[in-house]
Amino acid sequence: GQQVMQIPQYQHVQEGEDFTTYCNSSTTLSNIQWYKQRPGGHPVFLIQLVKSGEVKKQKRLTFQFGEAKKNSSLHITATQTTDVGTYFCAGILAGGTSYGKLTFGQGTILTVHP
Amino acid sequence: ETGVTQSPTHLIKTRGQQVTLRCSSQSGHNTVSWYQQALGQGPQFIFQYYREEENGRGNFPPRFSGLQFPNYSSELNVNALELDDSALYLCASSLGRGAYEQYFGPGTRLTVT
Repeated sequence: GQQVMQIPQYQHVQEGEDFTTYCNSSTTLSNIQWYKQRPGGHPVFLIQLVKSGEVKKQKRLTFQFGEAKKNSSLHITATQTTDVGTYFCAGILAGGTSYGKLTFGQGTILTVHP
Repeated sequence: ETGVTQSPTHLIKTRGQQVTLRCSSQSGHNTVSWYQQALGQGPQFIFQYYREEENGRGNFPPRFSGLQFPNYSSELNVNALELDDSALYLCASSLGRGAYEQYFGPGTRLTVT
């Protein structure tokens, strides 16, 4: 079945360092979404990318969707302690019959040391 | 915070029992999706309801069933509970059929002993 893989599984950074997490799908995606889940919390929507090669920015966060629409990345510049949490990508299989089905990656856990 | 609420917050059940989890969607949202999140894993899609009809299902057995009501609130029912059903069950509401921006509720932590 469709798989969405994320790397790395864990990332420990010093405050002020940059952070990147990568998301790869075995099949083409119609879109990709990114969520953040704080410890003990629930996933919170960050952004959705739809177009091949799309790049979107939210303050210190930069999101990219690959040209082949099989991979995506999230880059955080100059991390802060408030960035701590697990970052998930989630994609929709292109051309699938169950287009309500959002497949999540296993997440990247980010810890930031002050 | 989203306007999505879930009840109960925590639940402990015995293997073989049945459980019903409830979700109230955000005002104006007509679609509810249910996810199972095991510890240290990403949410796994169970199914989605759009205007009271099931609109897609993940790889979960038939003992996982659901309902959506005319006010767009929803229930997740799990029969014949197994130990592996222990997880955080998340409800997410959205506007429109498909997988648009999901607004998650706080979840129900189910423990099966």
